Amino acid sequence: DIDLTQTPLSLSVTPGQPASIYCKSSQSLLHTDGKTYLYWYLQKPGQSPQLLMYEVSRRVSGVPDRFSGSGSGTDFTLKISRVEAEDVGVYCCMQGIHHPPTFGQGTKVEIK
Amino acid sequence: QVQLVESGGGVVQPGRSLRLSCAASGYTFSSYGMHWVRQAPGKGLEWVAVIWHDGSKTLYGDSVRGRFTISRDDSKNTLYLQMNSLRGEDTAMYYCVRDPGVTSYYFDNWGQGTLVTVSS
Repeated sequence: DIDLTQTPLSLSVTPGQPASIYCKSSQSLLHTDGKTYLYWYLQKPGQSPQLLMYEVSRRVSGVPDRFSGSGSGTDFTLKISRVEAEDVGVYCCMQGIHHPPTFGQGTKVEIK
Repeated sequence: QVQLVESGGGVVQPGRSLRLSCAASGYTFSSYGMHWVRQAPGKGLEWVAVIWHDGSKTLYGDSVRGRFTISRDDSKNTLYLQMNSLRGEDTAMYYCVRDPGVTSYYFDNWGQGTLVTVSS
């Protein structure tokens, strides 16, 4: 199975400050079709996961543009340019190219 | 809009069975693959099973293979997970997830989850 390692596992951020979460895969997530199937989810407290980003850097409709994704191959980053109170929760990366689909351990983001 | 509503969770003794259901609405159910993903208390997400959009193929995670069965009834827009020989380590929130992917897995919509507790 593909191992996805996230760092850090927790993050405490002052509102208005940036935050970055890293996801490293044990194998390349680049498909032969040229796309990279790395996703980011946010699980807000008491809720189910919601999709934020797909194919590394494509924002889901309705996701604020303060969220951005980058990376290639095995190394990926989710950046929040200015953290807001509503961004608290656990962020998790997921790979969809290899079977079985696997998730990172999650990064808990809280507000200072 | 897409809605996925799970039901059927509860407290069950080890070794017993439980069937989860997921009622889908707001889209053409038969056009999408569907998954079950679980999350043990305080833990991360674990993929459980997938069924192809046409029901032609099913795959399972190593920890549930041989004990769990995923199925679908497109006439009722419903996904199922039959769980047999339950163990304590199966205790988790179980999420029903839609997958529009063609060349990859892609989880775009999740239900709110149903909690399964395996305990004597």
